[in-house]
Amino acid sequence: DIQMTQSPASLSASLEEIVTITCQASQDIGNWLAWYQQKPGKSPQLLIYGATSLADGVPSRFSGSRSGTQYSLKISRLQVEDIGIYYCLQAYSAPYTFGAGTKLELK
Amino acid sequence: QVTLKESGPGILQPSQTLSLTCTFSGFSLSTYGMGVGWIRQPSGKGLEWLANIWWDDDKYYNPSLKNRLTISKDTSNNQAFLKITNVDTADTATYYCARIEGIVGNYFDYWGQGVMVTVSS
Repeated sequence: DIQMTQSPASLSASLEEIVTITCQASQDIGNWLAWYQQKPGKSPQLLIYGATSLADGVPSRFSGSRSGTQYSLKISRLQVEDIGIYYCLQAYSAPYTFGAGTKLELK
Repeated sequence: QVTLKESGPGILQPSQTLSLTCTFSGFSLSTYGMGVGWIRQPSGKGLEWLANIWWDDDKYYNPSLKNRLTISKDTSNNQAFLKITNVDTADTATYYCARIEGIVGNYFDYWGQGVMVTVSS
């Protein structure tokens, strides 16, 4: 199985700050990576797919990038509505695997 | 507009079979490239992928659940199903179904609201 190591596990940031979350894949997954945001009591929402493509309706302050087997989600200017838990997902091969999640809180 | 909604028994006892239904609209599982997946999340924990079914009836399962899973679909009624046999307390979780738009990639782009399932004696 492909392991997705996500960091940090939790993050406290101020409004307007730049936030970066990373996922390290245990092997090459190409661009088969997605990022999700989950707010309390809600289902996950797709933010980024194909490692760098913004999903429909997602604000442009979210962006994804890739360097080898390391993937990053960047929030350029943190807003209150960005608080939640973020997960990466590798969809390269079954079994699909999610990162353990990053809990993003407001400082 | 794409929507999905899960339904299930709510509570069941250890060793029973869990049957879940995903009723969806706004897409068809007979359309090339479309799929539905099931994902679960124990309370306060992370996400675990369980299974996918595709428009051509191709199926993929998480091997960690050791042959306990069966995924199926009813294309004419826009439904997908998941059965988990021999449940125990570790299967207590919120279960989500989600659409996969396979042309763009094997990602879950629309999710249902989730259904809570408790396994307890």
